[in-house]
This record gives sequence, structure tokens and C-alpha cells, in this order.
Amino acid sequence: QQQVKQSPQSLIVQKGGISIINCAYENTAFDYFPWYQQFPGKGPALLIAIRPDVSEKKEGRFTISFNKSAKQFSLHIMDSQPGDSATYFCAASKGSGYSTLTFGKGTMLLVSP
Amino acid sequence: NAGVTQTPKFQVLKTGQSMTLQCAQDMNHEYMSWYRQDPGMGLRLIHYSVGAGITDQGEVPNGYNVSRSTTEDFPLRLLSAAPSQTSVYFCASSYVRAVTTEAFFGQGTRLTVV
Repeated sequence: QQQVKQSPQSLIVQKGGISIINCAYENTAFDYFPWYQQFPGKGPALLIAIRPDVSEKKEGRFTISFNKSAKQFSLHIMDSQPGDSATYFCAASKGSGYSTLTFGKGTMLLVSP
Repeated sequence: NAGVTQTPKFQVLKTGQSMTLQCAQDMNHEYMSWYRQDPGMGLRLIHYSVGAGITDQGEVPNGYNVSRSTTEDFPLRLLSAAPSQTSVYFCASSYVRAVTTEAFFGQGTRLTVV
């Protein structure tokens, strides 16, 4: 059972456009939702994260939108740049303290010049 | 500050061979994990540890062993490699704060089993 579903699998966006990646989760115990960015040959790195007490979080050009009732969250990349070309993973974890991360299958983003 | 260091970066094994993937972190994080990454499958948790002497299984533990004798090191052992274990392996260490939990990943080990 896939607990975090991510779409699309791949995405091509023109430079300056908006990239949108969506995730849906099933376990209502999840209460922490990070996004990780991975460049080829590198390990994933935390990009931005949100907890369900807010509906949106923005850091620079990156925004997470969170819909608790629909159990969905999404990553928006404004003014997408070629340097944003990478694989993006959404994830979720539950409970206070340490909890393992459950990842989506990833979205490969290509921003064309 | 090195962060999370994985060795080796690349490895080719024959079916049935054993090997240990090394992982070390210098951030004094209590929590460490091993993931495998396969095309179209995302990152799947193999084993994790919440402190020295404490380990537990993740989603795909079969064929792998771990131990945690120190805070810094968390090696992953393949006892008898199989082609299905061909993958990219990532080690991560994590800290927990009141608001956020961040996992720091190593650069990965690309393993091919022939």
C-alpha cells in the first residue's frame, strides 16, 4: 500500500513558468510533510517542509500548499529556472519526536531554457 | 563539516558475495537510516536506528543487516548479494526539534550485483 502518492512522474516547464507537483497521503496520523530535492549523483536535500497547522508556507520561489481535508499537499516553484531541474520527492512522517519518513516516488523536473 | 559520508561510492559484486556499505556522520545525530533508491520507486526505507544499540526494520529489510555500536557509524551489510539488490543506497542521519525534522543524506553508493 503506497502511503504517499506523487504526481506527475515527470514534468517539463519553460524557464520562468510555474512548476507544480502534487502529493496525496492516506494516513491521517501524518503530521509533517517535507519536500526533498535531488540533483543527479547527489543525495536528496531538504527543500521546504510544512506541518498541518498552516495551509501554506513560502520560502523564496518555493511554496507548499496544504489541504488537510483532502489529504493533499503540493509544491509550487515560481519563476522556474534551469537550475531547478532535479528530482523532487514529497514525504510524510507522523507523531512527535523522531519518525521515519515515507517518500513519494519522485518527480523528475526539467526546466527548459 | 563532512556531514554524512558513505563509502564506497561505486561497487560491483558477484551474486552470493557479501559486503558492507559504510556510513558515518559527524553531526552527533541520534537517528540514522538506510534507504534504497530504484527507478520509479522513490526512496524505500531498509533499516533505521534511533540510537546506539537500537535498530529496527523498515519497509524492505530482507537481505540486509545493520548494527549501531556508536553514534557516528551505521554500516549496512549484505550477507549474500542478489541481482535484486542492484540499487543506489543512501544513508541519512536526522535530528528532531520542536518544529521540524530534517534528514541529511549522504552522496549514495551505487551497487551493481551481477
